[in-house]
Amino acid sequence: SAVISQKPSRDICQRGTSLTIQCQVDSQVTMMFWYRQQPGQSLTLIATANQGSEATYESGFVIDKFPISRPNLTFSTLTVSNMSPEDSSIYLCSVGDRGLQPQHFGDGTRLSIL
Amino acid sequence: QKEVEQNSGPLSVPEGAIASLNCTYSDRGSQSFFWYRQYSGKSPELIMFIYSNGDKEDGRFTAQLNKASQYVSLLIRDSQPSDSATYLCAVNDYGQNFVFGPGTRLSVLP
Repeated sequence: SAVISQKPSRDICQRGTSLTIQCQVDSQVTMMFWYRQQPGQSLTLIATANQGSEATYESGFVIDKFPISRPNLTFSTLTVSNMSPEDSSIYLCSVGDRGLQPQHFGDGTRLSIL
Repeated sequence: QKEVEQNSGPLSVPEGAIASLNCTYSDRGSQSFFWYRQYSGKSPELIMFIYSNGDKEDGRFTAQLNKASQYVSLLIRDSQPSDSATYLCAVNDYGQNFVFGPGTRLSVLP
């Protein structure tokens, strides 16, 4: 399966600031996804990052708060904007393909907001 | 609203026993089914997937699918302490619309 590199692995940020998380894949992939996993919880899909078009956001997530870029088939970024303590979470990038294929995850970014 | 349900656990089994993890899903249109293992502080790792009714075996792991009952399970034979983790069930339709369950925490006792 693809090797997925996510940066940074962790960060501690101040309230009101923004952080951009990068996801790099070692091969071209059709679909890239961003998830949030709050402590002790399962994964919640934030958005699907589409190459060459706007990301598709899930209910409860908006572009102003979580802008996403997908400039090519191997790279995507997620920005967490105007952060508050409620944004403290693990953010995960995953990749997949159309059809019945599984998704594979990067190592995640552990984000803490003070 | 598509839902995937799992017992949250913790499920405790002695070393060497069979661990049985269960998952039910609400969407009859689901086509593919996945089990991920997540160690504390780590990201989910795919361990099994199944598309057709019946059993699929891979080493100590067996996935079982019953689409009529909307039920998928994971059996871990000869459980080891290293199997202690949270196991996430995920279901998908053809559109990569993954839905994850809440996960079952498994503890294998030496």
